Amino acid sequence: EIVLTQSPATLSLSPGERATLSCRASQSVTYYLAWYQQKPGQAPRLLIYDASSRATGIPARFSGSGSGTDFTLTISSLEPEDFAVYYCQQRAIWPLTFGPGTKVDIK
Amino acid sequence: EAQLVESGGDLAQPGGSLRLSCAASGITFSNHAMTWVRQAPGKGLEWVASIYGLGDSTFYADSVRGRFTVSRDNSENTLYLQMNSLRVEDTALYYCAKDQQLVPLAYWYLDLWGRGTLVTVSS
Repeated sequence: EIVLTQSPATLSLSPGERATLSCRASQSVTYYLAWYQQKPGQAPRLLIYDASSRATGIPARFSGSGSGTDFTLTISSLEPEDFAVYYCQQRAIWPLTFGPGTKVDIK
Repeated sequence: EAQLVESGGDLAQPGGSLRLSCAASGITFSNHAMTWVRQAPGKGLEWVASIYGLGDSTFYADSVRGRFTVSRDNSENTLYLQMNSLRVEDTALYYCAKDQQLVPLAYWYLDLWGRGTLVTVSS
């Protein structure tokens, strides 16, 4: 099973700041990695797939990069609605696995 | 509007059974693989099971294999999860989610989620 590790566990930032979230895989997933956003009481929302492709309707301030075992989600300038938990997910090898999440909260 | 609505969550005893349903609307249901993901209270996301669009192939997490069965009725636009031999650790909010791609492909990226149905296993 591929284990995904996310860091930091919590990121405290102010609106307008840049957020950089990391996801590391225990073995290569090539580029088969997605990022989801989950707000309290809501279902997750797909942000990024295949490491760097934005899903439909996702603002350009969200970007993804990386390949192999190291991936990054960047939010260029945090909007108030971006404070949430972010999960990475790999689809390279069964079972599908999610990372433990990074909480982005307001500083 | 595309929508997934889960139902069937309830309080069950250890060793008991439940069947969850996920009704799809606003999408061509048979064109997409589907997945169940669960989230224990206050915890992260855990993949449970997936099924291809025609229902011909299924995949399970080790934690549920042999106890849970995923199926679908494309004529009714409904996804199911039969849960047997329930354990306390199965307590979670269960989401159904749609695959981003169209059959025959399945990318296993989930671009439409329901709001979830709560399963509580306790004596």
